[in-house]
Amino acid sequence: KAGVTQTPRYLIKTRGQQVTLSCSPISGHRSVSWYQQTPGQGLQFLFEYFSETQRNKGNFPGRFSGRQFSNSRSEMNVSTLELGDSALYLCASSLEGDRAHIQYFGAGTRLSVL
Amino acid sequence: GEDVEQSLFLSVREGDSSVINCTYTDSSSTYLYWYKQEPGAGLQLLTYIFSNMDMKQDQRLTVLLNKKDKHLSLRIADTQTGDSAIYFCAESEAISGGYNKLIFGAGTRLAVHP
Repeated sequence: KAGVTQTPRYLIKTRGQQVTLSCSPISGHRSVSWYQQTPGQGLQFLFEYFSETQRNKGNFPGRFSGRQFSNSRSEMNVSTLELGDSALYLCASSLEGDRAHIQYFGAGTRLSVL
Repeated sequence: GEDVEQSLFLSVREGDSSVINCTYTDSSSTYLYWYKQEPGAGLQLLTYIFSNMDMKQDQRLTVLLNKKDKHLSLRIADTQTGDSAIYFCAESEAISGGYNKLIFGAGTRLAVHP
């Protein structure tokens, strides 16, 4: 079974631009969560989607948004990019039921904002 | 809110045991995890334990949980050079819909030398 797939792996953008990152969960997984990893702040929860609905959100500004499609694939969007948005963005998927707490991560998208 | 703390560096000789420590603050029932991150890669789930357990063993990995002190440790037996990586301790925060928000420690960089 294929793992969590994130595209693209690397992105370079300039300040003020916007960016869209994509995540395809493991087949059968309906929950998708996004995390930001930076050297200064570490790993921080962005948001979680389940069944096309945002179920939970972390403490990030409204420039960070996401969505989930009917096939459980998810995208996150960052508008008006700032230098501080440079980070590794990780997506994780999980099953439902008693294994819903186990999150499997993709390799991430490394975003550099110049 | 929840907080997870870990020491930042650990250096061990190949063949020795490694012990990585973590403390957490959530007082409710929760899941606790150990993830491994190699350079340029995402997070690999190593093992997890529920907060009502004391110990879990999985091949070379042993997780010990001291509930009173909220202290979690990961012991890697017969450490190999391939174990060199950053190890993250994480706890699940129980939020609406389940345990889908992970709170991570800063990560412990394990260096294995001959």
